[in-house]
Amino acid sequence: DAGVTQSPTHLIKTRGQQVTLRCSPKSGHDTVSWYQQALGQGPQFIFQYYEEEERQRGNFPDRFSGHQFPNYSSELNVNALLLGDSALYLCASSSSGTGEYFGPGTRLTVT
Amino acid sequence: QKEVEQDPGPLSVPEGAIVSLNCTYSNSAFQYFMWYRQYSRKGPELLMYTYSSGNKEDGRFTAQVDKSSKYISLFIRDSQPSDSATYLCAMSDGAAGNKLTFGGGTRVLVKP
Repeated sequence: DAGVTQSPTHLIKTRGQQVTLRCSPKSGHDTVSWYQQALGQGPQFIFQYYEEEERQRGNFPDRFSGHQFPNYSSELNVNALLLGDSALYLCASSSSGTGEYFGPGTRLTVT
Repeated sequence: QKEVEQDPGPLSVPEGAIVSLNCTYSNSAFQYFMWYRQYSRKGPELLMYTYSSGNKEDGRFTAQVDKSSKYISLFIRDSQPSDSATYLCAMSDGAAGNKLTFGGGTRVLVKP
């Protein structure tokens, strides 16, 4: 049973650029959430997608946007990158009655 | 003040000892409580998932929730060097969606 997968593993971008991260949920899961984890801190909730709609959103600016596809996979887009956006970006999937299962993350470095 | 507080550690124990971890929280709406293990530069791995107050046991792991005190605990029996990792508590209010609020994590080191 394939778990949550994310791509790419690592990414280096320059300030002002745009980035797209991708996630495939665990088999049987229909809900995808994205989290940002700075070094030495717990993950912070960005937003959640269910039935191709954004269901909940955390305290992140509009530069952060996302999308969910009919096969439940998801993308996270970040525009106008700032140095402070450097972090581990985690995708998590779930279904009703389950906990959140996380992928390995994408490490984004903004220079 | 953060919604979920967790001692950052590090917590160092000898192999075979019991590891005791805890979190306190301020939001009384939280109903679902989770513990995750995270190895360096990896994604968090779900260890325990509990609803409301009470105890839950799974192998060497025991999770306790005391909603009246807004306090949750994780105990790891017979600790092994492979248990060395950062342990994160997380919780949600169970409303539509599973938005999780995390503690900052406790780093645990089990010495052989």
